[in-house]
Amino acid sequence: GDSVTQKEGLVTLTEGLPVMLNCTYQTIYSNAFLFWYVHYLNESPRLLLKSSTDNKRTEHQGFHATLHKSSSSFHLQKSSAQLSDSALYYCALSSNTNKVVFGTGTRLQVLP
Amino acid sequence: DAGVTQTPRHEVAEKGQTIILKCEPVSGHNDLFWYRQTKIQGLELLSYFRSKSLMEDGGAFKDRFKAEMLNSSFSTLKIQPTEPKDSAVYLCASSEDRGHTQYFGPGTRLLVL
Repeated sequence: GDSVTQKEGLVTLTEGLPVMLNCTYQTIYSNAFLFWYVHYLNESPRLLLKSSTDNKRTEHQGFHATLHKSSSSFHLQKSSAQLSDSALYYCALSSNTNKVVFGTGTRLQVLP
Repeated sequence: DAGVTQTPRHEVAEKGQTIILKCEPVSGHNDLFWYRQTKIQGLELLSYFRSKSLMEDGGAFKDRFKAEMLNSSFSTLKIQPTEPKDSAVYLCASSEDRGHTQYFGPGTRLLVL
């Protein structure tokens, strides 16, 4: 079945440095939708960005990601981390199956 | 519009008890999801309803977890009997596009002693 891999459980970096959270996926279907959800402490998880178009950059709130079907990747990036970016980030996949599959999440900790 | 609401926000149960968690989706949303959130496993799907029909029942969670959607605006998740390993945050989400954009509730934090 479909699966999503987020290898890093925790990413810690200093404010101002670039952010890259890795996400790879597996599906037998060609029409994959990929998502990034963000979960801030004491809030509900919410959609950050999504894409189904190969090699097209998607941006929202300073974050961006590009779906690369050739490498089955959808890494989340930001040019300069802010303290307020500290949160739990989930990558997710939807294909021809009935459900959206989430990765295990990556906690981003931004230090001053 | 009101977002997804979940009650209770916190629940403490003794091992072996039955607990029922409640969720009200965003009005007009046809898709409803129940997830368990843990640090190790992340977000695990427990159940998925589309227009009140059960589409996914979460496989490994079948034996003690039962979700129901009594009407389009209310769902329950029953855990019976509870075990300490069930301690987690239980999230409900709704969607109007088959889960592509999910709106999550605040969650119920369950502690089983």
